[in-house]
Amino acid sequence: DADVTQTPRNRITKTGKRIMLECSQTKGHDRMYWYRQDPGLGLQLIYYSFDVKDINKGEISDGYSVSRQAQAKFSLSLESAIPNQTALYFCATSDSGTVSYNEQFFGPGTRLTVL
Amino acid sequence: AQSVAQPEDQVNVAEGNPLTVKCTYSVSGNPYLFWYVQYPNRGLQFLLKYITGDNLVKGSYGFEAEFNKSQTSFHLKKPSALVSDSALYFCAVRDRGSTLGRLYFGRGTQLTVWP
Repeated sequence: DADVTQTPRNRITKTGKRIMLECSQTKGHDRMYWYRQDPGLGLQLIYYSFDVKDINKGEISDGYSVSRQAQAKFSLSLESAIPNQTALYFCATSDSGTVSYNEQFFGPGTRLTVL
Repeated sequence: AQSVAQPEDQVNVAEGNPLTVKCTYSVSGNPYLFWYVQYPNRGLQFLLKYITGDNLVKGSYGFEAEFNKSQTSFHLKKPSALVSDSALYFCAVRDRGSTLGRLYFGRGTQLTVWP
C-alpha cells in the first residue's frame, strides 16, 4: 500500500549492529503496529502504539525498541542485531475513529537478514 | 485469551473448483473477524471482515466468509478458484469488548490453485 511506506525494503547486516526500520503513513491513522513474519509462524506482534504517547509491548518485544516520533511515523530499532532476528518485518496502521477501526493496513515489508 | 487457528498449512485446489480456507477462533466475548491475503513479496491486503449483522460476508475478488458462532468459525470461501488466487491467507480476530483493540492473527494458510 502506497499509503504505508517502509524503509529500507531490504537490509543485510551483521551480528551486533544497531538497525532502525522506519515506517511512515499518510492515512491519518492514530494506531500503528510492528509485526515480524517467520515462515510457519504467521505474524507476531512486536510493539503497538495507539497514539504518540501510548506505546505497548506485543508478544515478542525482547531485543526490540520503538519510537513514535509523530502520528505518522513509527520506527523499530534492533539495538544489537542477532541472527534469529532475520525475518520479514511489517508495519501496519489502523483508525480508532471508525466502527471497523481494527481493519489494519500494511506496508510492503522490510526483509532483514542478520549474518 | 484470544487466539486464531488455521488448521491447514496448505490448501490445493484445481482452477474452477470451489475453495475453502478454514479458520476457528477463541475470544472471551464477541468477535470482530478479518481475512487478509498476502501475495509474494507484498504486504498483507484486507479481504473482508465480519463486524455484526449477516453471517455471510462478501469481500474482494469474489471471496466470502461465513461467521458461525456456535462453531466459532469464520471459513473463507470462493465458488470458483482462479490461479491468481494462489497466495498466503491469514485469519484475524479481535474481541470487540477489549479496550486494547489489537488483532490476533493465525499462522496462515498457503493456497495453491493449479491450472
